[in-house]
Amino acid sequence: KAGVTQTPRYLIKTRGQQVTLSCSPISGHRSVSWYQQTPGQGLQFLFEYFSETQRNKGNFPGRFSGRQFSNSRSEMNVSTLELGDSALYLCASSPGTSGFTIYFGEGSWLTVV
Amino acid sequence: GQQVMQIPQYQHVQEGEDFTTYCNSSTTLSNIQWYKQRPGGHPVFLIQLVKSGEVKKQKRLTFQFGEAKKNSSLHITATQTTDVGTYFCAGSNTGNQFYFGTGTSLTVIP
Repeated sequence: KAGVTQTPRYLIKTRGQQVTLSCSPISGHRSVSWYQQTPGQGLQFLFEYFSETQRNKGNFPGRFSGRQFSNSRSEMNVSTLELGDSALYLCASSPGTSGFTIYFGEGSWLTVV
Repeated sequence: GQQVMQIPQYQHVQEGEDFTTYCNSSTTLSNIQWYKQRPGGHPVFLIQLVKSGEVKKQKRLTFQFGEAKKNSSLHITATQTTDVGTYFCAGSNTGNQFYFGTGTSLTVIP
């Protein structure tokens, strides 16, 4: 069974630009969550999508958005990038029902310069 | 909002010594999960605890869920260099949104 696939793995963007990250969950999984990981802040929950609907949302500004497609693939977008957005963005896949296990992708390393 | 605190933030141990990390939630949890992230890697699921007072073991790792379901611990007996990494707890009170602790970075000195 293929794991969670995230693309791109590494990218460098300039302040003010926008970025789109992609996540393909494990086949059959309907829930996709996104997390931001930085050395000082640990793993911060961004949002979770289940069956194309945003089910949960963390405390991030509106510059951070996401969506999920009918095939469960998900994208997250960050507009007007700031230096502080430099981080590892992790996508997590799960069946979506209570008590599930989260499977993380390898992440997308974003550097904003 | 819900907060999950984890201590210590860093721990250096001599190989063979024991190690414990603690996780505390500001609210009662429905379940708690533990993850390990190796340097340069991504978090990998270790275990889930659901019941009050639950204790689970995986070889040298022992996981506990508090009676009040607001705290948890991970204990590693006789650490090995392969145990190096950051250990995260993740608590949920809804079952589908998890709040991660800040993690404990474990260094094992050979």
